[in-house]
Amino acid sequence: DIQLTQSPSFLSASVGDRVTITCRASQGISSHLAWYQHKLGKAPKLLIYAASTLQAEVPSRFSGSGSGTEFTLTISCLQPEDFATYYCQQVDSFPLTFGGGTKVEIK
Amino acid sequence: EVQLVESGGGLVQPGGSLRLSCAASGFTFSDHYMDWVRQAPGKGLEWVGRSTNKANSYTTEYAASVKGRFTISRDDSKNSLYLQMNSLKTEDTAVYYCARVTSGSYPRWDDYWGQGTLVTVSS
Repeated sequence: DIQLTQSPSFLSASVGDRVTITCRASQGISSHLAWYQHKLGKAPKLLIYAASTLQAEVPSRFSGSGSGTEFTLTISCLQPEDFATYYCQQVDSFPLTFGGGTKVEIK
Repeated sequence: EVQLVESGGGLVQPGGSLRLSCAASGFTFSDHYMDWVRQAPGKGLEWVGRSTNKANSYTTEYAASVKGRFTISRDDSKNSLYLQMNSLKTEDTAVYYCARVTSGSYPRWDDYWGQGTLVTVSS
């Protein structure tokens, strides 16, 4: 199985900050990676797919990069509605796997 | 508007069974693969399994943790996805989400999700 290691697992930041989350895969997965935002009690939301393609209607302050084994999600200017938990997911091979999550909290 | 609504969660004893449903609307359900994903209390997301569509013979894939105990099925005439869960264990306690898989070719992503239904396995 492909393991995804996210870092950090917890991040405290202020509105307006630039935030970067890293996801490392245990083996190469090309660009077969997605990023999701999840708020408590809500449906997870697809933000980025194919490592760097912004899903429709997702604000442009979100961006993704990387390929192979190292990927990043960047939020360029953190907004109040961005405080949530973020997950990476690989869709390269079964079983599909998620990273452990990064909780972004208000400083 | 794409909508996915899960139902059927509840309290069940270890060793028991439960069937979850996911009602889909706002898109052509029969065209899409569908996933089940779960989140145990205080834990991250875990993929449970996938159903392909009729064009791909409704084939299924499962996580090792549920293979042989859980079965995914669907009824395209009712725009519904199901998860039959047997031989339930306490570690199956989680919120269960259904998710629509993008159409087109590999690779595919979960582009819409429901709000989940809680399954609690406890004596």
